[in-house]
Amino acid sequence: SQQGEEDPQALSIQEGENATMNCSYKTSINNLQWYRQNSGRGLVHLILIRSNEREKHSGRLRVTLDTSKKSSSLLITASRAADTASYFCATDVDSNYQLIWGAGTKLIIKP
Amino acid sequence: EAGVAQSPRYKIIEKRQSVAFWCNPISGHATLYWYQQILGQGPKLLIQFQNNGVVDDSQLPKDRFSAERLKGVDSTLKIQPAKLEDSAVYLCASVSRWRGEQYFGPGTRLTVT
Repeated sequence: SQQGEEDPQALSIQEGENATMNCSYKTSINNLQWYRQNSGRGLVHLILIRSNEREKHSGRLRVTLDTSKKSSSLLITASRAADTASYFCATDVDSNYQLIWGAGTKLIIKP
Repeated sequence: EAGVAQSPRYKIIEKRQSVAFWCNPISGHATLYWYQQILGQGPKLLIQFQNNGVVDDSQLPKDRFSAERLKGVDSTLKIQPAKLEDSAVYLCASVSRWRGEQYFGPGTRLTVT
């Protein structure tokens, strides 16, 4: 079953601009994770935010979590061509530690 | 540390044939997952192992799919017989700590003709 839904489905921006993508989910979570997938490096973990956290930073990435709205956002600042990829949110919702994945946002950075 | 290894990287078979995928997780990772990812979608969990035991295989189509993790290290996923709708990328992942990030292998791209 699909828990997370990313928005937008696709995003195209100029290099150097900021990219924001959103994730909404349906049930309470233990944590929410963002992953990136491109053809060169496969699926790679970016950042994990726990349910009791509201914001986390990692380099050019900023993730926010609003559990009252059941939503999260991923901000990539000063985008680069190498950021071109699909971005997925995944939620950890049960005791078995299984992630439920959205369909992803496809991000294209134009030079 | 070495990453999650998977083989083969690509496989093309005809429908009704069988195929097997292999995964070697990162050393020491007790939990291993197999996912199916259809083009344009997120990964869908097929089976989860903890050491050599199955935690959850509720989404594994057991009439055609089987998986094992002998000795709690590497794992194989088999499809027999394959259908056209099995065309997808099969991903293996492992975790080092409970509720931590998952580490993925490069995947096996299966095409069923």
